[in-house]
Amino acid sequence: DVKVTQSSRYLVKRTGEKVFLECVQDMDHENMFWYRQDPGLGLRLIYFSYDVKMKEKGDIPEGYSVSREKKERFSLILESASTNQTSMYLCASRGLAGTYTQYFGPGTRLTVL
Amino acid sequence: GNSVTQMEGPVTLSEEAFLTINCTYTATGYPSLFWYVQYPGEGLQLLLKATKADDKGSNKGFEATYRKETTSFHLEKGSVQVSDSAVYFCALTSLNRDDKIIFGKGTRLHILP
Repeated sequence: DVKVTQSSRYLVKRTGEKVFLECVQDMDHENMFWYRQDPGLGLRLIYFSYDVKMKEKGDIPEGYSVSREKKERFSLILESASTNQTSMYLCASRGLAGTYTQYFGPGTRLTVL
Repeated sequence: GNSVTQMEGPVTLSEEAFLTINCTYTATGYPSLFWYVQYPGEGLQLLLKATKADDKGSNKGFEATYRKETTSFHLEKGSVQVSDSAVYFCALTSLNRDDKIIFGKGTRLHILP
């Protein structure tokens, strides 16, 4: 089975801190994604990557950056956390064969105080 | 561009009732279609999928048929259980390498005992 893991299930940070959210997948998938999920807004794509060292902005990239130095790992960085970045963050990966099913990690609930 | 529209919730049903959650899409070409489910406090899990017209995806008693003529992929279950209470997301993806996956906003389902 495909496994996508995220470094933390719950995280509490203070305004202005630099925050790293890590995501690792074990299926040699090319594509990886970061979403945030907020009540009433569904999933919103922050950034995605279709190869090592490649990144593309999603729908809401402001205030975030990403890093993909290795194929299996995709990191989301909040350079200076703000309270409006309190949210559930979901990572996903997808291969380029078959039906392109996207597999999700368990999510990180981030609270910025 | 591609888009997914699903019925807004919350949907509240009694146990053993029949469930339909509507999903329609707009897409060029022949996308793959998915239903994902998110149980409380967890990430998204793939529930079922269909890759071409008239395909029926099924899992855990849920099913959905890819209807190209009506551009729909409605989720149905004949007899729901309390354990089906969750948020359900309809999604589509094309088979282009760099294309994003498009999600609907999600439908929250409450099943009453």
